[in-house]
Amino acid sequence: GAGVSQSPRYKVAKRGQDVALRCDPISGHVSLFWYQQALGQGPEFLTYFQNEAQLDKSGLPSDRFFAERPEGSVSTLKIQRTQQEDSAVYLCASSLNPGQGAIHGYTFGSGTRLTVV
Amino acid sequence: QKEVEQNSGPLSVPEGAIASLNCTYSDRGSQSFFWYRQYSGKSPELIMSIYSNGDKEDGRFTAQLNKASQYVSLLIRDSQPSDSATYLCAVNSNTGGFKTIFGAGTRLFVKA
Repeated sequence: GAGVSQSPRYKVAKRGQDVALRCDPISGHVSLFWYQQALGQGPEFLTYFQNEAQLDKSGLPSDRFFAERPEGSVSTLKIQRTQQEDSAVYLCASSLNPGQGAIHGYTFGSGTRLTVV
Repeated sequence: QKEVEQNSGPLSVPEGAIASLNCTYSDRGSQSFFWYRQYSGKSPELIMSIYSNGDKEDGRFTAQLNKASQYVSLLIRDSQPSDSATYLCAVNSNTGGFKTIFGAGTRLFVKA
């Protein structure tokens, strides 16, 4: 696609509910990142994929967070048993390859705003 | 100590003035430095990248890097009301893999 596409754009979940957030990166982009951005804060790294391999998940805040990219394209971030502190904007970013991203930065999707009530 | 620090602002400048945004980082192994602009309710948009000490100019924007002082800055000349946004400093560190670490951002207001 022309850009990074994320869905849904907005999600309201009741506390304890499971949610799944989707990211469709730019076609052919090898590197895919998930970031979490709380209100008034900068994006915080969650996890990184190179193709289908999850090379870094050090930023996932708890074992309730799980991400996958089974075919090396679309990625899903799943949050189980959502808590109020999970309320944030979840941003997906991609780059053609790791080197390009490290040098030229990333293209971000529009994000999914998750509100847990 | 946060890995990337920015003054949260808000920084308010009159239209036509120079806006100066500053950022410090803690990892001396950092190699790539970025400035992203984020309008309210929107996602970050890359506006500048810099890798070498010194200045890099692109239109009204100039990024400055001083690795010895671990300091990055962004100058916006002839500021316009449309420049009002949050500016995120971001740093890519070889020691941290390929992830990019973001600061909390500086809010800029350009008054007409």
